[in-house]
Amino acid sequence: GQQVEQSPASLVLQEGENAELQCTYSTTLNSMQWFYQRPGGRLVSLLYSPSWAEQRGGRLTSSAASNESRSSLHISSSQITDSGTYLCAPNSAGNKLTFGIGTRVLVRP
Amino acid sequence: GGIITQTPKFLIGQEGQKLTLKCQQNFNHDTMYWYRQDSGKGLRLIYYSITENDLQKGDLSEGYDASREKKSSFSLTVTSAQKNEMAVFLCASSIGGGTYEQYFGPGTRLTVL
Repeated sequence: GQQVEQSPASLVLQEGENAELQCTYSTTLNSMQWFYQRPGGRLVSLLYSPSWAEQRGGRLTSSAASNESRSSLHISSSQITDSGTYLCAPNSAGNKLTFGIGTRVLVRP
Repeated sequence: GGIITQTPKFLIGQEGQKLTLKCQQNFNHDTMYWYRQDSGKGLRLIYYSITENDLQKGDLSEGYDASREKKSSFSLTVTSAQKNEMAVFLCASSIGGGTYEQYFGPGTRLTVL
């Protein structure tokens, strides 16, 4: 089945810094969804991309390399409220998403 | 917009007990999902349903039953709670299958004594 890896496992940023989170997967991509979760909180959908389309939402951009099994989430001008865990969930076929374990982000003032 | 609600928010059970978790959505979505989230592991799919009265097993269906009573609701039953089990159960819905955007509920946190 689909294998998903996220890197880095954790990341510390100074407020205002940019960051790139990576998601690698083992099969072809139909769609990619990125989620955000605070400890004990709900999974919030950040960006959804059908196939290889780049998606933007405010300070977030999701992009995928069509010739590589890899997607990235770019966070620009990080804010303290961006702290939390970011999960990627690629869909390769059928009805299932496969989730990575996540990248834990801490933004310091 | 719509919302997904899950009840109860916290569930404490005894070993061997049968426990039921409920999920409601008002998106009018066809597909609903149950996931389990354990610390240090990715979300794992337990069951999903692509329409009313449909059930499909996920990767972690053993030890669980599910029921899609109507389009807006999807229930999950832990058939025999395991001692010291702790996990969060997340319900989600989407307009279609896995290629479509999924929306999540707030979760039910299970503790088994």
